[in-house]
Amino acid sequence: AQKVTQAQTEISVVEKEDVTLDCVYETRDTTYYLFWYKQPPSGELVFLIRRNSFDEQNEISGRYSWNFQKSTSSFNFTITASQVVDSAVYFCALTAGSSYKLIFGSGTRLLVRP
Amino acid sequence: GAVVSQHPSRVICKSGTSVKIECRSLDFQATTMFWYRQFPKQSLMLMATSNEGSKATYEQGVEKDKFLINHASLTLSTLTVTSAHPEDSSFYICSAWTADSNQPQHFGDGTRLSIL
Repeated sequence: AQKVTQAQTEISVVEKEDVTLDCVYETRDTTYYLFWYKQPPSGELVFLIRRNSFDEQNEISGRYSWNFQKSTSSFNFTITASQVVDSAVYFCALTAGSSYKLIFGSGTRLLVRP
Repeated sequence: GAVVSQHPSRVICKSGTSVKIECRSLDFQATTMFWYRQFPKQSLMLMATSNEGSKATYEQGVEKDKFLINHASLTLSTLTVTSAHPEDSSFYICSAWTADSNQPQHFGDGTRLSIL
């Protein structure tokens, strides 16, 4: 069975702080994809990144960076120099094998205070 | 990029009403679409997978007679919540699958359904 765990329910930081959102996944498939989405208060899902199971390279995109470690089944997301506009719920998700179904974690609500 | 349009964005109606939500892929063909439900402060839960020209596949615990899905064309899937009750109030969001290797699922903006 596939499962995604986001143990941090809510995180509150002050603007300009760095923050890391944790994601741990479970799957028996050797081929899988991991995703991060942002859901602002307006509700729409904003795609941030997709990473396949064969590519463990870390990725940086502006203030965002992702650390994929198969040894610990983790795909953590770091925001550096956080801004108020980063306040949202962030979801980690997984598709595995031949399935297109997205399995979402429970989400982490990030509040960045000015 | 691929755009998915979901309509309406918000619905408020009386208990017992049936509500139809549309999900359209605007600039690509989507043989497969997905419908998710999200209760307040919870995660997105997959309700069903909609395949063009065939019956939808429902996830365990989702009543197919309650949530009717029709995917009659390559660009349109509809979800009808039949005889809606207050417990059906939720945020419903669709996605369309594409062959885009970077971002295979494109999401609509969601429909906030409130049943009085």
